[in-house]
Amino acid sequence: DIVMTQSPDSLAVSLGERATINCKSSQSVLFSSNNKNYLGWFQQKPGQPPKLLIYWASTRESGVPDRFSGSGSGTDFTLTISSLQAEDVAIYYCHQYYTTPPTFGQGTEVEI
Amino acid sequence: EGQLVESGGGLGQPGGSLRLSCAASRFTFSTYWMHWVRQAPGKGLVWVSRINSDGTSTNYADSVKGRFTISRDNAKNTLYLQMNSLRAEDTAVYYCVRAQYSSSNGMDVWGQGTTVTVSS
Repeated sequence: DIVMTQSPDSLAVSLGERATINCKSSQSVLFSSNNKNYLGWFQQKPGQPPKLLIYWASTRESGVPDRFSGSGSGTDFTLTISSLQAEDVAIYYCHQYYTTPPTFGQGTEVEI
Repeated sequence: EGQLVESGGGLGQPGGSLRLSCAASRFTFSTYWMHWVRQAPGKGLVWVSRINSDGTSTNYADSVKGRFTISRDNAKNTLYLQMNSLRAEDTAVYYCVRAQYSSSNGMDVWGQGTTVTVSS
């Protein structure tokens, strides 16, 4: 199984400041035939299901604010919130869908 | 955009059974792979099982293999998870999740979840 490791486990960011979450996979999730990274990011607020933010490592899901961006390739990925808003307080998970079983990082808790 | 509504959770006895259902709407259910993902209290997300669009191919996490069975009824737009030989460690919120159209293991639409508690 591919192991996904996020860092940090938690971070506190001031309103309007940048938040950066890292995700490392134990093997590459880049599929060479289509040059796509099979990596997504989810946001989960308390009492709610996860919500897809980013797929193919850097494609923003429809309706997701543009302050959220994803980057990286191969085994190293980053989710950036460019200007943290109060409603962004949540746990963020990276997710690889390159192989079965699909796996998730342990989560990163973002607070103000 | 798609809607998923789970039901069937509740209190199950160790060694007992429960059957979860997931009603799909607002998308063409029969053309999508589907997943079950669970989340134990205070813990992260763990994939449980997946099924292809016509129900002929299934996969399971090692932790549930031989105990859980995923199935679907495309005529009823419904996904199922039959859970047998329940263990305390199966206690979790179970989410029904739609796969991305372009990737069978990608996930986009999630249900609200149904809570399963295994205890005597």
